[in-house]
Amino acid sequence: SQQGEEDPQALSIQEGENATMNCSYKTSINNLQWYRQNSGRGLVHLILIRSNEREKHSGRLRVTLDTSKKSSSLLITASRAADTASYFCATTSGGSYIPTFGRGTSLIVHP
Amino acid sequence: DAMVIQNPRYQVTQFGKPVTLSCSQTLNHNVMYWYQQKSSQAPKLLFHYYDKDFNNEADTPDNFQSRRPNTSFCFLDIRSPGLGDAAMYLCATSRDPGTSGTYEQYFGPGTRLTVT
Repeated sequence: SQQGEEDPQALSIQEGENATMNCSYKTSINNLQWYRQNSGRGLVHLILIRSNEREKHSGRLRVTLDTSKKSSSLLITASRAADTASYFCATTSGGSYIPTFGRGTSLIVHP
Repeated sequence: DAMVIQNPRYQVTQFGKPVTLSCSQTLNHNVMYWYQQKSSQAPKLLFHYYDKDFNNEADTPDNFQSRRPNTSFCFLDIRSPGLGDAAMYLCATSRDPGTSGTYEQYFGPGTRLTVT
C-alpha cells in the first residue's frame, strides 16, 4: 500500500513562479525523499530529509518536514520550463530500506 | 559515466509470448530493484535483490520472475504477458544503507512494454 500521497495531483504554473507540492504519510518514517520523473524516463533523486530534520535546501529546491503532521512539502523557486515533470515523495519506515512511493504531482511550467 | 542501463527502451510483445527485460549497472551497488509503473501511478515494487538474495513482494504475480547472474546485471522475465502487464518497467539500484547510511535509489530510463 502507498505510504505517501502527494497533493495536488496536477499543478500548472508560469515560468518564474514558485511551485509547492505536498506529501502526506500515515506512519512514522525514518526519512523522506523527493524524486523527479521526466515524461517517459526514470526517476531522479532530488533530496532526502531525515525524520530529525525540519528543512533542507538544494539549489532552487526547499524541502520541509513536519513529523507531527506527517507531511512534507517541496518548494521549487523561480520555476523554469525544464522543471516540467512528475514529482514523487518516497518514505522509508521501520527497519526497511525500501522506499514506498506516492502517486506523484504532475507539474507543468509554461514558458 | 556510471549509470543504470535498461534494454530495450521499448519492447512490443504478443499476448502470452515470454519476454525478458534487462538491466545493467556500473555503480557496483549491491541492491537492485524492479518496479512496474502504469500511467499516472506510483512505481510499484515487484522484487529486489540484496546481493544474491531475492526478495519478492507479496502481491507480485507468479508471471513475473527475475534473475541476477552477477552484481552488474538483473533480468525481468514475464512468462506469459497479459494486456494488463503493459507498463513502464523501471530498474533501480542502491547502496547498502546499513553501511552507506544512504537510501538514494538510482533509476534506469525504463523499458516501455506494449502487449498486443
